[in-house]
Amino acid sequence: TQLLEQSPQFLSIQEGENLTVYCNSSSVFSSLQWYRQEPGEGPVLLVTVVTGGEVKKLKRLTFQFGDARKDSSLHITAAQPGDTGLYLCADSGYSTLTFGKGTMLLVSP
Amino acid sequence: DAGVTQSPTHLIKTRGQQVTLRCSPKSGHDTVSWYQQALGQGPQFIFQYYEEEERQRGNFPDRFSGHQFPNYSSELNVNALLLGDSALYLCASSLAGGVEAFFGQGTRLTVV
Repeated sequence: TQLLEQSPQFLSIQEGENLTVYCNSSSVFSSLQWYRQEPGEGPVLLVTVVTGGEVKKLKRLTFQFGDARKDSSLHITAAQPGDTGLYLCADSGYSTLTFGKGTMLLVSP
Repeated sequence: DAGVTQSPTHLIKTRGQQVTLRCSPKSGHDTVSWYQQALGQGPQFIFQYYEEEERQRGNFPDRFSGHQFPNYSSELNVNALLLGDSALYLCASSLAGGVEAFFGQGTRLTVV
């Protein structure tokens, strides 16, 4: 059974700071997805990465996929209160999703 | 496009009772998956329906069952509720073979 570990579990920062959260898998990802989930809502897909070493940028968010396809990081530049939420990584294999426990990010004004 | 809609949004049930949750997929999507998200955890896969058949199942007991209708909408049924079944139940829709899943807002089930 694949295990996804995310760190840190919780992060509280001030607006304007930079941050990085991590996702590590016990086995190679089929493909890796990052989601953001706001309180009372379902997860929303941010990005899908497939190739080892791949880097994708989405405005202030930068996603990196490890060369061995077993780890990933999400870096946010100049965090804003609207970035507050639960960041989940997931393996999207065989059309189902295996999630980590997530990193809860709180950005204060 | 209304996206994925789930009903009800909140529900309180007593231990031992049965519950039915409903999901309407995003327009054009034919595959529905259900996930359970306990407090402080990531979503856990329960099962997936395609063409009115259960296609894949996660590690959940038989108390959890489902159904998909010809219009692709789906129901999740849980029998003999336990306190530990309290969670946010998420429905996700996708196209068969697609990599992108769209989630509903979830149903918050509380078992007392």
